[in-house]
Amino acid sequence: DIQMTQSPSSLSASVGDRVTITCRASQGISSWLAWYQQKPEKAPKSLIYDASSLQSGVPSRFSGSGSGTDFTLTISSLQPEDFATYYCQQYKSYPLTFGQGTRLEIK
Amino acid sequence: EVQLVESGGGLVQPGGSLRLSCAASGFTFSSYSMNWVRQAPGKGLEWVSHISSSSSTIYYADSVKGRFTISRDNAKNSLYLQINNLKDEDTAVYYCATDRPALRGYFDYWGQGALVTVSS
Repeated sequence: DIQMTQSPSSLSASVGDRVTITCRASQGISSWLAWYQQKPEKAPKSLIYDASSLQSGVPSRFSGSGSGTDFTLTISSLQPEDFATYYCQQYKSYPLTFGQGTRLEIK
Repeated sequence: EVQLVESGGGLVQPGGSLRLSCAASGFTFSSYSMNWVRQAPGKGLEWVSHISSSSSTIYYADSVKGRFTISRDNAKNSLYLQINNLKDEDTAVYYCATDRPALRGYFDYWGQGALVTVSS
């Protein structure tokens, strides 16, 4: 199985900050990586697929990069609605696996 | 508008059974592969099972293999998850999610979830 490891596990930031979350795969996954956002008591929401392609309707302040084993999600200027938990997920092979999540909190 | 609505969750005793349903609308259900993903209370996301559009390909996580059965009825635009021999660790919110066509494994749309609680 491919293990996905996110860092940090939690992060405090302020509105307007630039934030980067990292995701590492235990083996190469090319660009078969997605990012999801989840707010408390809500279903996850798709943000990015193929490591860097923005899901329709997602604001352009969100961006993704990387390939192989190392990936990043960047939010260029945090907005109040961005405070949530973020998950990476590989879809190179089954079983599909998620990172443990990064909780983004308001400083 | 794509809509996925799960139902069938509830409180079940250990060893019991349950069938979750996911009603789909707003898209051509028969053309999409589907998945179940779960989330235990306070924990992260765990993929559970995948079924292709024609039901010809099915995958399960090792943690549920032999106890869970995924199925679908394209005529009824519905996805199902039969859960048998429930264990405490199956307590979770269960989400159905679509695969993006031609991008198997990427969860394009999600339902709101159904809570399954296993407790005596």
